[in-house]
Amino acid sequence: QVNLQESGPGLVRPSETLSLTCSVSGYSISSGYYWGWIRQPPGKGLEWIGNVYHSGKTYYSLSLKSRVTMSVDTSKNQFSLKLTSVTAADTAEYYCARLVPYRGDTSVYVEAFDFWGHGTKVTVSP
Amino acid sequence: DIQMTQSPSSLSASVGDRVTITCRASHSISTYLNWYQQKPGKAPQLLIYATSSLQSGVPSRFTGSGSGTEFTLTISSLQPEDFATYYCQQSYSNPPLTFGGGTKVEIK
Repeated sequence: QVNLQESGPGLVRPSETLSLTCSVSGYSISSGYYWGWIRQPPGKGLEWIGNVYHSGKTYYSLSLKSRVTMSVDTSKNQFSLKLTSVTAADTAEYYCARLVPYRGDTSVYVEAFDFWGHGTKVTVSP
Repeated sequence: DIQMTQSPSSLSASVGDRVTITCRASHSISTYLNWYQQKPGKAPQLLIYATSSLQSGVPSRFTGSGSGTEFTLTISSLQPEDFATYYCQQSYSNPPLTFGGGTKVEIK
């Protein structure tokens, strides 16, 4: 069973940097797959932030790209998210998840988030 | 970016009802469509991948169908544990991955 656990400060001041870490157990990040961050503002839907590969290759949401950095630490089996210059709009539940290519009935490979962390609530407030 | 639109945004149904949720993509995404279930205070869980394939452990009362721009998630006989919010997600255009706005299934 793959387990993911987010960790980091629950309160961040406006204009500062939000830093979160996702610790993975039950699977070695070095073995492959992309690893993603998704957030959910209070009472709202899911927003994809970006993905990072074990090699360090990244893909980010265009709307957040100028403020986001993701990285991987294979020695600790962790990956991280940094979001700079935060505002109240960044207040959300933040989830980390594993992105896996699943083969469908038509033999296409469709990437889906199969294992998720429990989420960590981050509030941006003075 | 490909926009995903779900309808309805919420619905009320009774145990035993047949429930259908629709997800529309702004551009054709073939069958690159997944469904997730999220219960209050919990992380989303993968329900269906590649439009119609059930994730391991998901009951057979859940079915997914569609292709191109229109997709449906059907629950054949709603059970008490199915009251939750459901999200579709496309991975045809990756990046970015995009989610629908969600459909909340409530008890009537």
